[in-house]
Amino acid sequence: QQQVKQSPQSLIVQKGGISIINCAYENTAFDYFPWYQQFPGKGPALLIAIRPDVSEKKEGRFTISFNKSAKQFSLHIMDSQPGDSATYFCAASKPSSASKIIFGSGTRLSIRP
Amino acid sequence: DVKVTQSSRYLVKRTGEKVFLECVQDMDHENMFWYRQDPGLGLRLIYFSYDVKMKEKGDIPEGYSVSREKKERFSLILESASTNQTSMYLCATHSWGSNQPQHFGDGTRLSIL
Repeated sequence: QQQVKQSPQSLIVQKGGISIINCAYENTAFDYFPWYQQFPGKGPALLIAIRPDVSEKKEGRFTISFNKSAKQFSLHIMDSQPGDSATYFCAASKPSSASKIIFGSGTRLSIRP
Repeated sequence: DVKVTQSSRYLVKRTGEKVFLECVQDMDHENMFWYRQDPGLGLRLIYFSYDVKMKEKGDIPEGYSVSREKKERFSLILESASTNQTSMYLCATHSWGSNQPQHFGDGTRLSIL
């Protein structure tokens, strides 16, 4: 119930392509779904986040799609660039413990030039 | 900008040693966290703290303890290090408010020989 399942574990995309990372959750009490981006040698940093009252959020080339009924959400990176190569984590948290975040297992994304 | 500083980037210790990992933040955040990061397992919460001298167990507290004597400092202690504690350790902070992200340090890569 507390898990957030993330796939794929690794992903290779050509430059200019669309990168898609998927996550699923079970606990319907989750109400905040952030994505974190981590470059080698650095800690994760917030990339984009969504709440379940909207089905999509877009910031530049990054879009979160959210399907509340299916309990799934995904990150789409349009026009993927080599600089997007990083590890991406989806996550979820509940209002009762807004500080405590449950992370997915991570996706290592490589963008080939 | 929030700055979360972990005292060591790399650390090598021997089995049975007592190990201290230190984390300092400069933004007066109430909440602090210790995670370990392992390939394919994502970020797993070890301990967290909502206030000075307060601590709560996360998902994998066995073999670890923590100390928070001052608001800006959160220490992770391995009482008797074992080889299965070889990992990347990440500290994070968070300020109350449901739209606030967690801010991470750059991690300590700990090897137990």
